[in-house]
Amino acid sequence: EPEVTQTPSHQVTQMGQEVILRCVPISNHLYFYWYRQILGQKVEFLVSFYNNEISEKSEIFDDQFSVERPDGSNFTLKIRSTKLEDSAMYFCASTRGGDTQYFGPGTRLTVL
Amino acid sequence: GEDVEQSLFLSVREGDSSVINCTYTDSSSTYLYWYKQEPGAGLQLLTYIFSNMDMKQDQRLTVLLNKKDKHLSLRIADTQTGDSAIYFCAEKGGAGSYQLTFGKGTKLSVIP
Repeated sequence: EPEVTQTPSHQVTQMGQEVILRCVPISNHLYFYWYRQILGQKVEFLVSFYNNEISEKSEIFDDQFSVERPDGSNFTLKIRSTKLEDSAMYFCASTRGGDTQYFGPGTRLTVL
Repeated sequence: GEDVEQSLFLSVREGDSSVINCTYTDSSSTYLYWYKQEPGAGLQLLTYIFSNMDMKQDQRLTVLLNKKDKHLSLRIADTQTGDSAIYFCAEKGGAGSYQLTFGKGTKLSVIP
């Protein structure tokens, strides 16, 4: 069964550094998403992406964040200058028609 | 903003039924979902229900939706130790929104 994959599984970075989290959505899916889960808190929506542009974003997704689909398979989340409070589990999801979202295993980001 | 609430913990004996409850506030929800998260793992889609349905059964899982009360439940029949995990309720809003709003998750502990 096709799956969403994410790399790396764990990323450790210094405050102020840029990080890029990578996702490979399911191959025939058209809508892509990033969510995050701070330890012990709810899973929060960050951004959705369709037809090579952002279709929806939350208040969390400020100018420090950007997303890109650089080729036909990858979907990336970039955090330009990481803060301590960016430490969280980041989940990528994809869906074909905007209904049922399938999630990847997540990337744990630790900002020191 | 929209909100989804769940009780945080549930403990059941192996072989009994588990019922996990969820309430939500968005009256324009179109789909409601149950995801399972095992320790250190991602979000696994268990089942979902469209908002014009009131029940859906899938093997050991039964989802009940009371749209009037905005109440969703997940019943797991013959609960096994492998069902121990955190269960997240999530709702997808009305037309034009693809983001999911999650509850905090219910940690199900199955006692052998």
